[in-house]
Amino acid sequence: EAGVAQSPRYKIIEKRQSVAFWCNPISGHATLYWYQQILGQGPKLLIQFQNNGVVDDSQLPKDRFSAERLKGVDSTLKIQPAKLEDSAVYLCASSPGLAGALGQFFGPGTRLTVL
Amino acid sequence: AQSVAQPEDQVNVAEGNPLTVKCTYSVSGNPYLFWYVQYPNRGLQFLLKYITGDNLVKGSYGFEAEFNKSQTSFHLKKPSALVSDSALYFCAVRDNSNYQLIWGAGTKLIIKP
Repeated sequence: EAGVAQSPRYKIIEKRQSVAFWCNPISGHATLYWYQQILGQGPKLLIQFQNNGVVDDSQLPKDRFSAERLKGVDSTLKIQPAKLEDSAVYLCASSPGLAGALGQFFGPGTRLTVL
Repeated sequence: AQSVAQPEDQVNVAEGNPLTVKCTYSVSGNPYLFWYVQYPNRGLQFLLKYITGDNLVKGSYGFEAEFNKSQTSFHLKKPSALVSDSALYFCAVRDNSNYQLIWGAGTKLIIKP
């Protein structure tokens, strides 16, 4: 079974530029999560999708961050414009259902550096 | 409030010795508990989970965890540490109100040869 795929793995941009990250979850997983992980900290949930609908985006800075999962499979997370404090690893995870009893399965992450 | 605490920022163990990484939690309802490991420049990898049943849970790479309801703890253990176990370990508990994971701050495990 293929795992969660993410691209790119690394991205370096200047502040005020835009960037987009892509995630392909494990086949059949209805729930998809985007997390932000600052170095040395635990993951912080940005947004959660169930199929193509948003379940929770309460911690997504909506003035600059956006995410979509149009067909209920792949997802993209965009930052526009980026700030220095957005430097972090962006993790995508998926799980079979909303209840989360089986845990979440993570991709390798995208390391973003904003200069 | 629901929370997870990992009281140690770093744990140092000599190779071949037993290791313990501590985790305590606070959650409403039955606890669903998880341990993940993160190697440098890698995503989080699932190690093991407790949902119900035997208090000693076995997981990947020889790790196990002991659930203690009275102490609200879920400590990660391994009988004999390997240098390759050096990594960042995260404990998480499921928030039963929204089914999201509440994460600990992580514990850096360093195994010295």
